[in-house]
Amino acid sequence: ETGVTQTPRHLVMGMTNKKSLKCEQHLGHNAMYWYKQSAKKPLELMFVYNFKEQTENNSVPSRFSPECPNSSHLFLHLHTLQPEDSALYLCASSQAGNGREQFFGPGTRLTVL
Amino acid sequence: ELKVEQNPLFLSMQEGKNYTIYCNYSTTSDRLYWYRQDPGKSLESLFVLLSNGAVKQEGRLMASLDTKARLSTLHITAAVHDLSATYFCAVGPNNNDMRFGAGTRLTVKP
Repeated sequence: ETGVTQTPRHLVMGMTNKKSLKCEQHLGHNAMYWYKQSAKKPLELMFVYNFKEQTENNSVPSRFSPECPNSSHLFLHLHTLQPEDSALYLCASSQAGNGREQFFGPGTRLTVL
Repeated sequence: ELKVEQNPLFLSMQEGKNYTIYCNYSTTSDRLYWYRQDPGKSLESLFVLLSNGAVKQEGRLMASLDTKARLSTLHITAAVHDLSATYFCAVGPNNNDMRFGAGTRLTVKP
């Protein structure tokens, strides 16, 4: 595997389900990000991890819970989501530090019924 | 609050024509990024502009940054069908505060 990978690529879940999205980067980076891309809004930064430490949480509802066990892996745990949470969730990675180029994974298309 | 505005949001152009996409942002930043996204695909990095007056070119695309005007442009020269995609600019005073524009959906017609 090269670059940034995400699994699953597609996910359909009910509002009472619990699921997790996984992201793995093979670029030797030490910063990772979760973004939400929905049809009617610009790409939104959700969470940022630098050296496994969360450094940003942009007012994301608690039904989204990130986890970063090491610099190469990032998870987004989902529970009791709402239909409006349906979107494409993108993971990205970069070297830590300002102005570093971010590399994106293919995304997980999430549908909440 | 940092805001990033792109225009136009939709652009339909003929092959062989030239056009410019504009990206304005509201607060000081000397870092600006351009990405391309094909339908159903992820974002692909095109250009990273890190200083005032920076200009970068790749094939038929050229990006520039004017930090004083808080403006970046993405110029398309002699468009071809393969350039059809959505183009995003993103501004980040730091990586913890990256903001994306709404995107410009470009369609190049024969």
